[in-house]
Amino acid sequence: DAGITQSPRHKVTETGTPVTLRCHQTENHRYMYWYRQDPGHGLRLIHYSYGVKDTDKGEVSDGYSVSRSKTEDFLLTLESATSSQTSVYFCAISDRQKHTFGSSYNEQFFGPGTRLTVL
Amino acid sequence: TQLLEQSPQFLSIQEGENLTVYCNSSSVFSSLQWYRQEPGEGPVLLVTVVTGGEVKKLKRLTFQFGDARKDSSLHITAAQPGDTGLYLCAGSYNQGGKLIFGQGTELSVKP
Repeated sequence: DAGITQSPRHKVTETGTPVTLRCHQTENHRYMYWYRQDPGHGLRLIHYSYGVKDTDKGEVSDGYSVSRSKTEDFLLTLESATSSQTSVYFCAISDRQKHTFGSSYNEQFFGPGTRLTVL
Repeated sequence: TQLLEQSPQFLSIQEGENLTVYCNSSSVFSSLQWYRQEPGEGPVLLVTVVTGGEVKKLKRLTFQFGDARKDSSLHITAAQPGDTGLYLCAGSYNQGGKLIFGQGTELSVKP
């Protein structure tokens, strides 16, 4: 199993408070991702990073910010949590892109998730 | 916008039955991956298919990528209770390793 940990694993917070979730990897992988998972929506990408201090937005980035100051850590911050951000959050990592038959792809490895409840 | 549609969303079958899960899109993907997720855990990669028409087998699981690389299927032969879980397909567009996930198929195999 890829060495990925997420902390905290569970958190209950109140609307309007800031929340930071941490993803830590021991694999020295270049790419890191934050997803949220909600019933009926699969996994939706919030932000991702393709290197230290290199980040970009995903499809549901509003209300979230990220930082990556070291290869091994990727932080997700909810500046002012809202009830709509109640979800399960997953971090994923990926090594360099693989290339075969003219296509390139990354294989992603996921952490155990953080269940966040915003009251 | 959901670019990858999975069907069915829920499937409850008896042990020993066969089943097929579909993943469809109007977009062409450079690759498609299948993941399996158990309650309380993160998704685990099962397979990546890259070439149109490609078929890969993983024990009782058979994965196929459509000829036009817009769709994929997962077929399970003689399902077992251990196959119970959420199956997710995910497509890649060759852009920075980002994946687009389907909404998932929740499979329950009863003994």
